[in-house]
Amino acid sequence: KAGVTQTPRYLIKTRGQQVTLSCSPISGHRSVSWYQQTPGQGLQFLFEYFSETQRNKGNFPGRFSGRQFSNSRSEMNVSTLELGDSALYLCASSLESGYNEKLFFGSGTQLSVL
Amino acid sequence: QQQVKQSPQSLIVQKGGISIINCAYENTAFDYFPWYQQFPGKGPALLIAIRPDVSEKKEGRFTISFNKSAKQFSLHIMDSQPGDSATYFCAARISGNKLVFGAGTILRVKS
Repeated sequence: KAGVTQTPRYLIKTRGQQVTLSCSPISGHRSVSWYQQTPGQGLQFLFEYFSETQRNKGNFPGRFSGRQFSNSRSEMNVSTLELGDSALYLCASSLESGYNEKLFFGSGTQLSVL
Repeated sequence: QQQVKQSPQSLIVQKGGISIINCAYENTAFDYFPWYQQFPGKGPALLIAIRPDVSEKKEGRFTISFNKSAKQFSLHIMDSQPGDSATYFCAARISGNKLVFGAGTILRVKS
């Protein structure tokens, strides 16, 4: 069974641009979550989607948005990029959403903002 | 109140020794406590997890000890091996798949 697939693996953008990251969850998984990982702030929750609906949201500005499609694939978008948005963006999927669910992470998209 | 404090920041253990990583939390609404292992260039991978109504859980060489009254939990890696060298994160679940992560512990096992 294929794992969580994130594309692209690396991205370089400049300040002010926007970016879209893609995530394909494990087949059959309906929940997709996004996390940001930086050396300074560690792993921080961005949002979670379940059955095309945003279920949870972290403390990030409105420039960060996401969506989930009917096939459970998800995208996240960051508009008006700032230098501080440079990070590893991780997508995680699980069968359902909630207690005791095992979360499987992809290898992430490394975003560099210049 | 939604923080999870993890220590130590880094740890060096001899091969065959016991690695111990500690975490503490304040929010009593947390209801699930997983540990993740991350290798360079990879995403975190679930190692083991525990519910707050259980005091200890063991899976192979990995054991979680949970102290609900002290709001602390720890990961013990028995017979530590060089292949265990990685970054370890404790986490706590708020709701759905929203996890709060500790800052991470870089473990190095010397052969």
